[in-house]
Amino acid sequence: KAGVTQTPRYLIKTRGQQVTLSCSPISGHRSVSWYQQTPGQGLQFLFEYFSETQRNKGNFPGRFSGRQFSNSRSEMNVSTLELGDSALYLCASSSTSGGTGELFFGEGSRLTVL
Amino acid sequence: SQQGEEDPQALSIQEGENATMNCSYKTSINNLQWYRQNSGRGLVHLILIRSNEREKHSGRLRVTLDTSKKSSSLLITASRAADTASYFCATAAPAGYQKVTFGTGTKLQVIP
Repeated sequence: KAGVTQTPRYLIKTRGQQVTLSCSPISGHRSVSWYQQTPGQGLQFLFEYFSETQRNKGNFPGRFSGRQFSNSRSEMNVSTLELGDSALYLCASSSTSGGTGELFFGEGSRLTVL
Repeated sequence: SQQGEEDPQALSIQEGENATMNCSYKTSINNLQWYRQNSGRGLVHLILIRSNEREKHSGRLRVTLDTSKKSSSLLITASRAADTASYFCATAAPAGYQKVTFGTGTKLQVIP
């Protein structure tokens, strides 16, 4: 069974630009969660989608958005990038929603904002 | 905000020794999970313990949970150099659709 796939793995953007990250979950998993990881703040929850519906959202500004498609693939978008958005963005899929089961993580997308 | 806090922040031991990491959390939980992360990579699930369980084993891993103290510990026995990684606890509240929040992590170094 293929694992969680995140693309792109690395990207460099400049302030003010926008970025879209993609996540393909494990086949059959309907829940996709996104996390931001930085040295200073650790792992911060962004949002969770289950069957195309956003179930939970973390404390991030409206510049951070996401969506989930009918095939469970998910994208997150960050608009008007700031230097502080430089981070490792991790996607995780699960067969259940709402923190009741194991999360399977992708390798992450490392975003650098210059 | 972080729900859990791991202790110690960093731990360095010799190969073959046991490593113990602790996690304290703030609110009631449905379950508590432990994950491992090798430098700059994705997290790997190690073990899940439900709120009505007190102890769980998986290979060289032993996890305990004390809901009265809102704390958990992860014990890795007979450590190996390959166990060098950061270890995180993660919790989710009991009711409804809850997000999984991660602690601050313990960085473990196992010296060969």
